[in-house]
Amino acid sequence: GQQVMQIPQYQHVQEGEDFTTYCNSSTTLSNIQWYKQRPGGHPVFLIQLVKSGEVKKQKRLTFQFGEAKKNSSLHITATQTTDVGTYFCAGKANDYKLSFGAGTTVTVRA
Amino acid sequence: DAMVIQNPRYQVTQFGKPVTLSCSQTLNHNVMYWYQQKSSQAPKLLFHYYDKDFNNEADTPDNFQSRRPNTSFCFLDIRSPGLGDAAMYLCATRAHARNEQFFGPGTRLTVL
Repeated sequence: GQQVMQIPQYQHVQEGEDFTTYCNSSTTLSNIQWYKQRPGGHPVFLIQLVKSGEVKKQKRLTFQFGEAKKNSSLHITATQTTDVGTYFCAGKANDYKLSFGAGTTVTVRA
Repeated sequence: DAMVIQNPRYQVTQFGKPVTLSCSQTLNHNVMYWYQQKSSQAPKLLFHYYDKDFNNEADTPDNFQSRRPNTSFCFLDIRSPGLGDAAMYLCATRAHARNEQFFGPGTRLTVL
């Protein structure tokens, strides 16, 4: 079955620095979604990418979908303490199911 | 505000004692999902409903059952909880023809 791999598993960032988390699928995706889960919270939808090579920005967050629609990345610039949490990518496997990556847990040192 | 509600937020049960978790939504979404999430892991899909049609994941144990009496409510029944079933259980909804899922706050289940 489809597998979605996500790296790194943990990202410890100095406040103000940038970082990137990467997501790779074993199969071509129709779309990819990103969710953020704060500590003790539940996943919250951030964004969806559908088109090959698509790039979307949300303030300091930049999301990319690869040309082959098998990989994606999330880049955060000028990390803030509010960015703490686990970021999951989730690839759409079929009409109803999302395949979640293992997540990247981000901690920030002030 | 439209939302996904889960009750209780915390549930403690004894080994082998049946437990029911509930989820309700005011979003009027067709699809409702139940996920199991263990510490530092991704959510794992147990099953979902598309309207009244139930769809079980192949690797979901028979110990887990679900009911959806109407559009708004969905229940997760664990017939004989084992220690390995201790986890966060997340309910999520999705509208037809949309892709994003809306998660409830979860129920953290402890099995003693």
